[in-house]
Amino acid sequence: GAGVSQSPSNKVTEKGKDVELRCDPISGHTALYWYRQSLGQGLEFLIYFQGNSAPDKSGLPSDRFSAERTGGSVSTLTIQRTQQEDSAVYLCASSQYSGGASYEQYFGPGTRLTVT
Amino acid sequence: AQSVTQLDSQVPVFEEAPVELRCNYSSSVSVYLFWYVQYPNQGLQLLLKYLSGSTLVESINGFEAEFNKSQTSFHLRKPSVHISDTAEYFCAVSRMNSGYSTLTFGKGTMLLVSP
Repeated sequence: GAGVSQSPSNKVTEKGKDVELRCDPISGHTALYWYRQSLGQGLEFLIYFQGNSAPDKSGLPSDRFSAERTGGSVSTLTIQRTQQEDSAVYLCASSQYSGGASYEQYFGPGTRLTVT
Repeated sequence: AQSVTQLDSQVPVFEEAPVELRCNYSSSVSVYLFWYVQYPNQGLQLLLKYLSGSTLVESINGFEAEFNKSQTSFHLRKPSVHISDTAEYFCAVSRMNSGYSTLTFGKGTMLLVSP
C-alpha cells in the first residue's frame, strides 16, 4: 500500500514569503505528526494531530507556524513570513491511534525548505 | 521531559567489522525506545523498538539493541557491518502510557562503512 507522501519534495522561497507544505498520511492512520530536521538542531517535534484536532502544538517554534488537518487525512503546515532559520527538512509521520500504547510512526520522505 | 544523547556524531568502520552506536536517555517516566535509520536521500525507517518484555530486541537485518534500565541506555550493535549499512541512525524515546507517542530524538550518528 501507499506510504506517507509529502509535497513538494523541495521548496526554495524568498525570505518573507509564505509557504505551504502538504502531507498525505497512510490511509486509516488517525494520528499525524510533523517534525523538523535541521543542521545543529536534529529532529524536533512540531505538532500532533488526532483526527482533525491538534491536542499538542507545543513544538511549533513561533506563531508564524500553523497547521491544519481536514477530513482526518491530509495535513498542511503553513509557515508565514519565512526566515532563513526556517530552512530545514520538514517530516510528516502517521500512525494508528491506540489510546495508550505506542504504535510505529511511518515517516514520509520530507520536504526540503530553503529560504534565501 | 525526556532527552536523548547519542554520544558519537560519526562512526567510521570497515566492512565486516563490528559496530556499536551509543544511546543514553533521560526521563522522569517510563519510556518506549526506538532506533530509526535514514539512508541517503530517504525518509526515516523504523529499525527496531523496545516496548516491553525481553530487553534484547533484534531487527531483520542483523542489528540488535539492548535496553538497560539501570544505565538508561539503548545501544545499537551489529557484529558485522556491510557497505549498505551506511546511513544515519537516530535513537528516540516516547512516553509510556501517554495517549500518543511524540518522539524525542537524539541528534543522530552517521555510520560510515568503508571497504
